[in-house]
Amino acid sequence: QKEVEQDPGPLSVPEGAIVSLNCTYSNSAFQYFMWYRQYSRKGPELLMYTYSSGNKEDGRFTAQVDKSSKYISLFIRDSQPSDSATYLCAMREEGFQKLVFGTGTRLLVSP
Amino acid sequence: EAQVTQNPRYLITVTGKKLTVTCSQNMNHEYMSWYRQDPGLGLRQIYYSMNVEVTDKGDVPEGYKVSRKEKRNFPLILESPSPNQTSLYFCASSLKLTTNEKLFFGSGTQLSVL
Repeated sequence: QKEVEQDPGPLSVPEGAIVSLNCTYSNSAFQYFMWYRQYSRKGPELLMYTYSSGNKEDGRFTAQVDKSSKYISLFIRDSQPSDSATYLCAMREEGFQKLVFGTGTRLLVSP
Repeated sequence: EAQVTQNPRYLITVTGKKLTVTCSQNMNHEYMSWYRQDPGLGLRQIYYSMNVEVTDKGDVPEGYKVSRKEKRNFPLILESPSPNQTSLYFCASSLKLTTNEKLFFGSGTQLSVL
């Protein structure tokens, strides 16, 4: 079993839809949770960063962490074609110098 | 412009021919790392460095070497490349990964070993 599981997709939605992307994990020591966005032929870029449990909102993006269920989510409201990319979740233990990444979910938003 | 620069972007080589992928950052970051990205396996860490002359193995270090002689540079060396090292490679840097500092990625190096 992988430490972090993520559905590879692709997830296809029409423009304006609400998108839900998810990851599950097995290591209860993870404390820091991140979402990275990766466009084709580009390096990942940090989208959202959350410490421990709870929600964080930034514009159209909301990140949720449920540590009791070992489950994190990224919601995208009013999705745009420019949101079409691969979304990678990443996690880290306190004091560790390593991020553990999910395999990424490919999102396609059609006009 | 703050960035992580990798070279080359694309590289085709043959088995056993030593190669180096360069990585340079202009943000005075202490932490640097190399990842490889493969379909279905995601990003896996190869090596990382917490500062000059300090390097450590990640999850998949076999067949790779690194060095950190200067703060800004962190080259990845494949002494004797093999076909299973065909992959997309990313260099990344951060001020300090253990604080709330994000990881900046380069644009990637697509390596094919024939």
